[in-house]
Amino acid sequence: EAGVAQSPRYKIIEKRQSVAFWCNPISGHATLYWYQQILGQGPKLLIQFQNNGVVDDSQLPKDRFSAERLKGVDSTLKIQPAKLEDSAVYLCASSPDAGGYTGELFFGEGSRLTVL
Amino acid sequence: AQKVTQAQTEISVVEKEDVTLDCVYETRDTTYYLFWYKQPPSGELVFLIRRNSFDEQNEISGRYSWNFQKSTSSFNFTITASQVVDSAVYFCALRRYSTLTFGKGTMLLVSP
Repeated sequence: EAGVAQSPRYKIIEKRQSVAFWCNPISGHATLYWYQQILGQGPKLLIQFQNNGVVDDSQLPKDRFSAERLKGVDSTLKIQPAKLEDSAVYLCASSPDAGGYTGELFFGEGSRLTVL
Repeated sequence: AQKVTQAQTEISVVEKEDVTLDCVYETRDTTYYLFWYKQPPSGELVFLIRRNSFDEQNEISGRYSWNFQKSTSSFNFTITASQVVDSAVYFCALRRYSTLTFGKGTMLLVSP
């Protein structure tokens, strides 16, 4: 079974530029998550999708971050314009249970963003 | 509000030593789930275990064991006879409904 795929693995940009990250979850997984992991900290949830609908985006900085999962499969996370504090690893995860209540999350390897 | 505290930032041991990683959580819910994840240098978080709040039985899986105590709100993780391959960052996490809250992680360094 293929795991969660993310790209690019690494990205370096200058502040005020834009960047996009792509995630393809495990086939059949209804729930998809984007987490931000700043160096030395645990992952923090940015947004959760169930199929193509948003379940929780309360911690997404909506003035600069956006995410979509148009067909309920793969997803894109965009940052525009980027700030220095956005330097982090962006982790995508998926879960097979539709409600996302009890199941484990399966994580991708992450996309490491450096903002100069 | 939910909170997970992993007070140990970094632990260094020599191979074959036993090591315990501490996790203390805060929640007002009666139903919740606790998790441990491993993050090796490759970056991918790997699921290790899930416990629900109604099951306080300790669990053992090979060299890994977990001690869940509701009375102290702790869910500690012990690796017996540690190996170099155990070197990673370990995260404890608390799940309420669909929200998973992670601790800051404990970096474990196992030297030969």
